[in-house]
Amino acid sequence: EPEVTQTPSHQVTQMGQEVILRCVPISNHLYFYWYRQILGQKVEFLVSFYNNEISEKSEIFDDQFSVERPDGSNFTLKIRSTKLEDSAMYFCASSLGQGVSEQYFGPGTRLTVT
Amino acid sequence: QQPVQSPQAVILREGEDAVINCSSSKALYSVHWYRQKHGEAPVFLMILLKGGEQKGHEKISASFNEKKQQSSLYLTASQLSYSGTYFCGTEGSRITGGGNKLTFGTGTQLKVEL
Repeated sequence: EPEVTQTPSHQVTQMGQEVILRCVPISNHLYFYWYRQILGQKVEFLVSFYNNEISEKSEIFDDQFSVERPDGSNFTLKIRSTKLEDSAMYFCASSLGQGVSEQYFGPGTRLTVT
Repeated sequence: QQPVQSPQAVILREGEDAVINCSSSKALYSVHWYRQKHGEAPVFLMILLKGGEQKGHEKISASFNEKKQQSSLYLTASQLSYSGTYFCGTEGSRITGGGNKLTFGTGTQLKVEL
């Protein structure tokens, strides 16, 4: 069964450093998402991406964040200058279309900012 | 504004039934239900759209009251594998071509015991 994959599974970085989280969505899916989950809390929407551009973003997704689909398969989230409060599990998700279309989540990348 | 889930936690004996509720103060376009086990990604259970369309796993049932902006997830004949945190994700509106931005509730912790 096709699945969303994410790398790395765990990333430790120092405050102020740049990190890139990578995702490979399901191959025929058209919509891509990033969510984050701070330990013990709910899942929060960051951004959605369709047709090579951001379609919607949350208040969390400020100028420090960017997304890119550099080729036909990868979908990346970059945080330019990490802060302690960026420590969280970051999930990538993808969906086929808009209608009755579920989002499939990847296993997540645990980001720890020290 | 995030949806409110109830109960916050529930403990069942194997074979018992449970209902998890999700309500929003805003009009909803769709409700998505996910189950998350500790340290894992959310797994899709059910999607219910305004107008009655729905899609989900065979053993899961749910309802969506559009007028009350409420959804309920029905877990019957619970099994040990049902244990986890259940999240509802709501979609207040849909931008054509914009993907499905989900706002998640705080979750309901379900534990099924022998």
